[in-house]
Amino acid sequence: QKEVEQNSGPLSVPEGAIASLNCTYSDRGSQSFFWYRQYSGKSPELIMFIYSNGDKEDGRFTAQLNKASQYVSLLIRDSQPSDSATYLCAVGGGSSNTGNQFYFGTGTSLTVIP
Amino acid sequence: ETGVTQTPRHLVMGMTNKKSLKCEQHLGHNAMYWYKQSAKKPLELMFVYSLEERVENNSVPSRFSPECPNSSHLFLHLHTLQPEDSALYLCASSLGAGAYNEQFFGPGTRLTVL
Repeated sequence: QKEVEQNSGPLSVPEGAIASLNCTYSDRGSQSFFWYRQYSGKSPELIMFIYSNGDKEDGRFTAQLNKASQYVSLLIRDSQPSDSATYLCAVGGGSSNTGNQFYFGTGTSLTVIP
Repeated sequence: ETGVTQTPRHLVMGMTNKKSLKCEQHLGHNAMYWYKQSAKKPLELMFVYSLEERVENNSVPSRFSPECPNSSHLFLHLHTLQPEDSALYLCASSLGAGAYNEQFFGPGTRLTVL
């Protein structure tokens, strides 16, 4: 069983639409949740993090966390062509004794069509 | 630029060579990480250092040997690698170790093992 699962996509949305990216995780004890954006040939760039159940908004981005369902999502409002990238979900903590474990999903490829 | 630099950016080596990857962070962080990113696979956490002490070692083969001489520098010494070790090696840093710390990635070293 994969620790973190994401739909690989590709997900295509028209410019100006809302893009919805989803992630599920297997370790119920996970404590922290991150979304990274990775452009082709580049390294991951942190977009948002969320630690508590509910929604967290930052500009056009909203992260949503539901620990009971072991589900985290990222909404991108008013999608722009520059948002076209692979989005990585990362989960931290969990059952690790040290609390230093981080697991990443394989990423969802998003294309915003002008 | 994220404040985390890596050298070299590209490396080609034979299976009998010995080489080292270098990472430097200019963010005043106390934790540093090595990740491996292979095609179609999730980012894999290899090592975690906190204040120069290794706090996580994820069953990485001994042909990979990390070194953290101070909180700003991290090395990955490579010897007797296999072709399947070809991947993008990413360094990251965070303010502290543990689940509630956002990680910032360097640009990566693209390694090819012949």
